[in-house]
Amino acid sequence: DSGVTQTPKHLITATGQRVTLRCSPRSGDLSVYWYQQSLDQGLQFLIQYYNGEERAKGNILERFSAQQFPDLHSELNLSSLELGDSALYFCASRATGTRDHTGELFFGEGSRLTVL
Amino acid sequence: LAKTTQPISMDSYEGQEVNITCSHNNIATNDYITWYQQFPSQGPRFIIQGYKTKVTNEVASLFIPADRKSSTLSLPRVSLSDTAVYYCLVGEGSNAGKSTFGDGTTLTVKP
Repeated sequence: DSGVTQTPKHLITATGQRVTLRCSPRSGDLSVYWYQQSLDQGLQFLIQYYNGEERAKGNILERFSAQQFPDLHSELNLSSLELGDSALYFCASRATGTRDHTGELFFGEGSRLTVL
Repeated sequence: LAKTTQPISMDSYEGQEVNITCSHNNIATNDYITWYQQFPSQGPRFIIQGYKTKVTNEVASLFIPADRKSSTLSLPRVSLSDTAVYYCLVGEGSNAGKSTFGDGTTLTVKP
């Protein structure tokens, strides 16, 4: 158990719909990263938050957005869904404090989104 | 952000030692090298991390030459349960997570 919690584990929806994925980082971790993994592909970095503020953007579509709340949990919002958005979405948090420089990431079990 | 190159796939047999090499020619001075393991439909899991020379833990060893332009993950006496995708990631602090993990190395352990 990595300590990172993601909900829901599975989600099936239709094209054009909007969904929200939730992530609770490990206790004490201030950084949250979101990744997308399509079938048989590597993890694509989407976006990073640190203590409530956006820190970096990767290959995130304009239809997608995210935020990190004061309690440090994060939500990834996916709108106007297309068939190609079907994927596993992972959240990771990064160790802070004395291990901040190492960048070790702790991943959740992912949210599997299926768009029909 | 340092780009990494790994073999796409490797095969091995139970009980053998497996070495997976990752090239990272433009590694920066402050970058750490981290290896992750991912099973199907699961999140990647940290295996080992190092900065230079050799690091060993209960599951693997990591060898890093003096120039740090490559690293080798060594898995001793693999079992069927080690069949997974292995990713090499290079970065420091907040930069560590911004890289796309790439395709990783798919290790298949056969009986």
